[in-house]
Amino acid sequence: SYVLTQPPSVSVAPGKTARITCGGNNIGSKSVHWYQQKPGQAPVLVIYYDSDRPSGIPERFSGSNSGNTATLTISRVEAGDEADYYCQVWDSSSDHPGVVFGGGTKLTVL
Amino acid sequence: QVQLVQSGAEVKKPGASVKVSCKVSGYTLTELSMHWVRQAPGKGLEWMGGFDPEDGETIYAQKFQGRVTMTEDTSTDTAYMELSSLRSEDTAVYYCATLPLVAAAGTYYFDYWGQGTLVTVSS
Repeated sequence: SYVLTQPPSVSVAPGKTARITCGGNNIGSKSVHWYQQKPGQAPVLVIYYDSDRPSGIPERFSGSNSGNTATLTISRVEAGDEADYYCQVWDSSSDHPGVVFGGGTKLTVL
Repeated sequence: QVQLVQSGAEVKKPGASVKVSCKVSGYTLTELSMHWVRQAPGKGLEWMGGFDPEDGETIYAQKFQGRVTMTEDTSTDTAYMELSSLRSEDTAVYYCATLPLVAAAGTYYFDYWGQGTLVTVSS
């Protein structure tokens, strides 16, 4: 089955740029989606189709996807961005197609 | 705007079954493709299964096949997820989540989520 690999944690100072990676075999050929989850809350979609933002998501959130790595970039990080972030793809390559999530990355704002 | 409201927390004994509901408002259930995702305490998100609009069938993650059943009551716009033969490792928050109204095949994502239902399995 398809595996997505994320770093367990990323730390960044306020006002700086955070980059969270999501590795997968030829992930650039898939559409990658990103969710933000704060403690005790349901996940919220922040990026879909690699780089599109849902309405209401700040322009500070952006995404890219190429080769074996997709990246969520958060510019001018704020304290309120501290959360867990998950990447997700649809894997249709196996006998059992379905949704695959990365293991999640905890973003800490210093 | 889709709203998903889930049933309340459950406590079950090992070997029992649990049935979690997800009430839809804002749209009808027939317009949506409902999926279920769970999250064990302190762990990541795990997809359980859902409706594939490309095939018109409900598909289940291999890990849960034979133990999970996802159904819908279109008369009340309520989706259900039943998990049987519960064990302690099934202790988790269970979420319902929907695909976009127009979901391109092979690129599915979840744009609306329920608030989650905590299921605790303990003897």
